[in-house]
Amino acid sequence: GENVEQHPSTLSVQEGDSAVIKCTYSDSASNYFPWYKQELGKGPQLIIDIRSNVGEKKDQRIAVTLNKTAKHFSLHITETQPEDSAVYFCAPPPGGTSYGKLTFGQGTILTVHP
Amino acid sequence: ETGVTQSPTHLIKTRGQQVTLRCSSQSGHNTVSWYQQALGQGPQFIFQYYREEENGRGNFPPRFSGLQFPNYSSELNVNALELDDSALYLCASSVRTGRNTEAFFGQGTRLTVV
Repeated sequence: GENVEQHPSTLSVQEGDSAVIKCTYSDSASNYFPWYKQELGKGPQLIIDIRSNVGEKKDQRIAVTLNKTAKHFSLHITETQPEDSAVYFCAPPPGGTSYGKLTFGQGTILTVHP
Repeated sequence: ETGVTQSPTHLIKTRGQQVTLRCSSQSGHNTVSWYQQALGQGPQFIFQYYREEENGRGNFPPRFSGLQFPNYSSELNVNALELDDSALYLCASSVRTGRNTEAFFGQGTRLTVV
C-alpha cells in the first residue's frame, strides 16, 4: 500500500505571505497527485492535482510541484488570504488500477492571520 | 456544492447497534468510495463500489459493508458498533475513465457511538 507523510502539521502565516506544504509518498508507481482542502464542517474539496508526466502545474495563486525521483510533491499558495485558512491534505492513490482509492496524509492546518 | 449528498448529517448510536449511512452520487458518476475520518486525522479508505460491485477495500473488518444501487447511489452499513467507530463518514463519487479523476466529496455523516 501507499505510505503518505505530510509536513508541516500546522502552518501559521500572515496575510500576503506564501505557504508551502510537502507530501512524501512511497509507491513509485503512483501517477496522480491531488491536494484537497477541507473547511470546518465540510468534506474535502480538490483544489489542484498533477499527473506524473508533468513537473509543475499552476492555477492562479495555487501551484503544485512534483519530484518523482524523490517521491514527493508540494503545494504552494502565494499571496495567502484569511479564507485560505483550512486543513489541507495530499491524497495520492497507489499506482496501478487503484482509481479513486485515495491515501490521505495526516493533514496540515493552515492559519492565515489578517 | 459538489452534487454529492449524504444522509443523515448527524447520528448517535449505542455500542452494539447497527447503522446505515446513505450517499447520493453526482449525476453521471459510476464510482462511489467511502472514507472514515477520525477527529484530527486524514480520511481513511473503507471501500469502493463500481457498477454495483465492491472494487477494493481498505483495512476495515467485515462488519463494514456496503451497497451500490443501479442509480449509483450507495449505502454504508456498520454492524456491532464500537466506540472507535465514532467518526465522520465521507462518501466520494467519481467517473471511472481508465485513469484517476477528481473525486467529489459529500459533507459527511458525523456518527457518535456511546
